[in-house]
Amino acid sequence: TQLLEQSPQFLSIQEGENLTVYCNSSSVFSSLQWYRQEPGEGPVLLVTVVTGGEVKKLKRLTFQFGDARKDSSLHITAAQPGDTGLYLCAGGAAGNQFYFGTGTSLTVIP
Amino acid sequence: ETGVTQTPRHLVMGMTNKKSLKCEQHLGHNAMYWYKQSAKKPLELMFVYSLEERVENNSVPSRFSPECPNSSHLFLHLHTLQPEDSALYLCASSQDLTSGSVEYNEQFFGPGTRLTVL
Repeated sequence: TQLLEQSPQFLSIQEGENLTVYCNSSSVFSSLQWYRQEPGEGPVLLVTVVTGGEVKKLKRLTFQFGDARKDSSLHITAAQPGDTGLYLCAGGAAGNQFYFGTGTSLTVIP
Repeated sequence: ETGVTQTPRHLVMGMTNKKSLKCEQHLGHNAMYWYKQSAKKPLELMFVYSLEERVENNSVPSRFSPECPNSSHLFLHLHTLQPEDSALYLCASSQDLTSGSVEYNEQFFGPGTRLTVL
């Protein structure tokens, strides 16, 4: 099993603040995905990164894949209540198997 | 219907019951997956099917029995479950299993079935 640890586990911030969520592992992954999951729903894919050092931006969200492809971060600028949810990272391995992280539960207070 | 649908959305069953979870994908994908999501634990991959053939079984107890009659439908048959099996069961699909473009490997999830075993 390839373990992915996410930090922090819980995060509660005011609207307008910035935040960073981390996803760390001792294993190397071929790709890394970030999902957001809202209560009562399945995870929704936000982004896939495949190259070490790659940075992708999705509006106010910035995703980075570590140079060694073992870790990743998600930075949100000027958080909004609509960003509330469970953020999951998933590392890609052979056979399209993905190993999911423990998740970060984000609450943005209006 | 679009995307990945799952029924029922909620299920309460006793330990001696037999029930089935259903998943349907309307995306034309070839691969389908069952995941278990428990509180405070990472998503656990249970089964993977590609073109109706099971290609992965991650040491799942035999009280969980998957069935994939065609590439659009996936079932999870449940019998003699334990209370610790209570969880959110998620179905997902992807274009294919083979590595190729990253887009082929992207998984689309259904809303899940919240299962409670009494």
